Amino acid sequence: DVVMTQTPPSLSVAIGQSVSISCKSSQSLVHSDGKTYLNWLLQNPGQSPKRLIYQVSNLGSGVPDRFSGTGSEKDFTLKISRVEAEDLGVYHCVQATHVPFTFGSGTKLEIK
Amino acid sequence: EVKLLESGGGLVQPGGSLRLSCAASGFTFTDFYMSWIRQPPGKAPEWLGVIRNKANGYTTEYNPSVKGRFTISRDNTQNILYLQMNTLRAEDTAIYYCARGLRWFAYWGQGTLVTVSS
Repeated sequence: DVVMTQTPPSLSVAIGQSVSISCKSSQSLVHSDGKTYLNWLLQNPGQSPKRLIYQVSNLGSGVPDRFSGTGSEKDFTLKISRVEAEDLGVYHCVQATHVPFTFGSGTKLEIK
Repeated sequence: EVKLLESGGGLVQPGGSLRLSCAASGFTFTDFYMSWIRQPPGKAPEWLGVIRNKANGYTTEYNPSVKGRFTISRDNTQNILYLQMNTLRAEDTAIYYCARGLRWFAYWGQGTLVTVSS
């Protein structure tokens, strides 16, 4: 299985600050169709996960443009500019290139 | 509006069975792959498997971690997705989510809690 390694495991940031979360995969996530199926999800406390980013850098519907995704092959980053209170929760990367699809262990974002 | 509503969770003894349901609405059910994902308490989610759409013959694919014990099926007349779980173990304790699609994770249900304990 592809191992997804997320860092840091937790972050504490003030409102208005910017943060980055790293996700590294044990194998290239470039699919045979040429696309890279790396998504970012946010799970607010007590809620189902919500998709933020798909295919590395595409913003999900209704997701604020404070969120952005970059990366390629095995190395990916989620950046949150101007953190807001509603951004607290656990962020997961998930690869959907290789079956079984696998998730990162999560980054917990706390608001100072 | 896309809606997914899971049900059927509860307390089950080790070795027992349970069938979860996911009622779908707001889209043409037969057009879409449907997936099951679970999340043990305090842990990362785990993809369990998928059932393909009508165009792809409703075939299934599973995570090897549950293959042989879990079965995904669908009732396309009632727009319901199922997860049959057999020979349950303590480590199957989790919130179980259904999701629309294969690679996109755009729509999730609210989840149903399964607890395996004696």
